[in-house]
Parts: sequence; C-alpha cells; structure tokens
Amino acid sequence: AQSVTQPDIHITVSEGASLELRCNYSYGATPYLFWYVQSPGQGLQLLLKYFSGDTLVQGIKGFEAEFKRSQSSFNLRKPSVHWSDAAEYFCAVGAVGGYNKLIFGAGTRLAVHP
Amino acid sequence: DAGITQSPRHKVTETGTPVTLRCHQTENHRYMYWYRQDPGHGLRLIHYSYGVKDTDKGEVSDGYSVSRSKTEDFLLTLESATSSQTSVYFCAISEWGTGGPDTQYFGPGTRLTVL
Repeated sequence: AQSVTQPDIHITVSEGASLELRCNYSYGATPYLFWYVQSPGQGLQLLLKYFSGDTLVQGIKGFEAEFKRSQSSFNLRKPSVHWSDAAEYFCAVGAVGGYNKLIFGAGTRLAVHP
Repeated sequence: DAGITQSPRHKVTETGTPVTLRCHQTENHRYMYWYRQDPGHGLRLIHYSYGVKDTDKGEVSDGYSVSRSKTEDFLLTLESATSSQTSVYFCAISEWGTGGPDTQYFGPGTRLTVL
C-alpha cells in the first residue's frame, strides 16, 4: 500500500540556520510528490511539486526539494530559515487510482528560535 | 488564492445530532475532496467527487456521507455525530493538468467539536 513517512514530528532551528525536512514514500512507479505548508489556523498552501524531469524542484518562499528515486525520498530544504517559516509541513504523494487523490504524511512541526 | 469557502468555520454539536458541512468553489474544478485532520495523522481522505453526482469513498469514510448536486458545492454529512468525529475538516479542489494531476487547493477548514 502507498504511504508517506515524515520521520520528524517536531524540529526546532535557529533563525538563519539551514533546514531539511525529511519525506519518504512508498510507491512502485514514478510518483507525483508535493510539499504543503500550514500556518496555525490556516488551510494548506502548496510549496512545490514534482511530476517529472529535473529532480531538484524550486518552490515558493525560497524552498526547494530533491527527488531521489534510489532512496524513495523527497526532502524539503531551505538555506536560511526565517521566523515566519514556523508552521507545519506536509509531504504528500499522488495516489494510485487517479482522480488526483493524495496520501499525506503525518506532518513535521517546525519551530524557529530567534 | 483559489476561491474555496467552507461553512460553518466553527461548530459545536452534541453526540447523535446530524451535521452538514458545506464546501463552495468558484473555480469550476472537476474534483472535490473532504479530508479530516487529526494530530499525528496528517490529512486523511473521507470522500471525494469527480463530477456532479459522482462520488466515492476515501480512507476514512465510515459515518460520513457526501453529495454534489452542483459543480460548485460539495456537502459532507455526519448522520449521527460521535465524539470521534471531533476534528478539523478541510475541503480541497483540483483539476487535471496538461501534464498530469494538478495541485489540490485547500479551503480554510471547519473546526467541529462533538460533545
């Protein structure tokens, strides 16, 4: 069965430090992969997505993610974190069966220290 | 931002009462989804729709029903609410892109508390 694992439930970084959020997926074929961000009390906003092509994907707010097929990973990175990046981050994979369905990971909550 | 509204935004109800949540979109997107969000579980798909009157079950559909009589509206009904259905409910929409599945866009959410 398809699944998405985000191994880190909580991460705390200092403002200005680099960030990497991990995501591993289980899927036999080439996956469609997404990262969403959720600020407190808000809905989810798309950061970036991977469908095919270049395995390094650029997104909004200075985020990027790299698809590594050999590791079944799609880790999210940012070189310098800002206090406004404090939020919950969700990785998702397109589900088999069509209809644009997604399977989400449990999320990683990011705290940023000044 | 995608034109998605959810109503109500907050609701408190009692066990055993029926509850209907509404999702309204102005984007004319074909696909609509209902998710619930619970700590430690991320978002889990309840039901989805791939056209007017075309719906199907998701991962956690027990105790929920849906209806879609117009492209723009997707209703989620809890026939007899239980405390385990206390959650935050999100609606999402998407369309099929030229190169494959397209992004899902999310509404602001409805916080439901069942006492």
